[in-house]
Amino acid sequence: GDSVTQMEGPVTLSEEAFLTINCTYTATGYPSLFWYVQYPGEGLQLLLKATKADDKGSNKGFEATYRKETTSFHLEKGSVQVSDSAVYFCALSDRQGAQKLVFGQGTRLTINP
Amino acid sequence: NAGVTQTPKFQVLKTGQSMTLQCAQDMNHEYMSWYRQDPGMGLRLIHYSVGAGITDQGEVPNGYNVSRSTTEDFPLRLLSAAPSQTSVYFCASSYSGGRRETQYFGPGTRLLVL
Repeated sequence: GDSVTQMEGPVTLSEEAFLTINCTYTATGYPSLFWYVQYPGEGLQLLLKATKADDKGSNKGFEATYRKETTSFHLEKGSVQVSDSAVYFCALSDRQGAQKLVFGQGTRLTINP
Repeated sequence: NAGVTQTPKFQVLKTGQSMTLQCAQDMNHEYMSWYRQDPGMGLRLIHYSVGAGITDQGEVPNGYNVSRSTTEDFPLRLLSAAPSQTSVYFCASSYSGGRRETQYFGPGTRLLVL
């Protein structure tokens, strides 16, 4: 079945460092890919998404490119801030009809000043 | 708009007790769903609904019931709570549930079953 594998965490970086969180997926069709972020004490919110191969999603300085050849959707940011500290989830949706998101296990990111 | 709201925020139950987790949205979304979040496992789909009167099972439906009598509300019922149901529960909604759509999540309900 469909699955998502994320980079093991937790990840700790200094402010202004470059961030990469790896995400690879397994799917039988042509999934849409998402990154959701969960700030402390809150629910998940969409960070970015890409719905077809070679699409690049971007938001708040974060980017991820849908790479079908490597089945990957790695999250990157050039200069992280303390406010980026959160848990990041990679997810896919690969069904016609009602959406059933399949999530990775989540990566906890901590940014130190 | 309040978005997706969930009550209660936190609940402690004893094994065998029943309870209902409430979820409501004011965005006129047709699609609603329930997920549980467990450490190291991401979120897993429990049940979902594509509209009033229509529900279906997700990945981990056992021990849970749902109904959808209105577009706005999608309660999740635990019939006889077990310690394995200790988790954080999130309700989500989207316009029609298409696979490209963004899901909007509530703030979550933390449940502890003793």
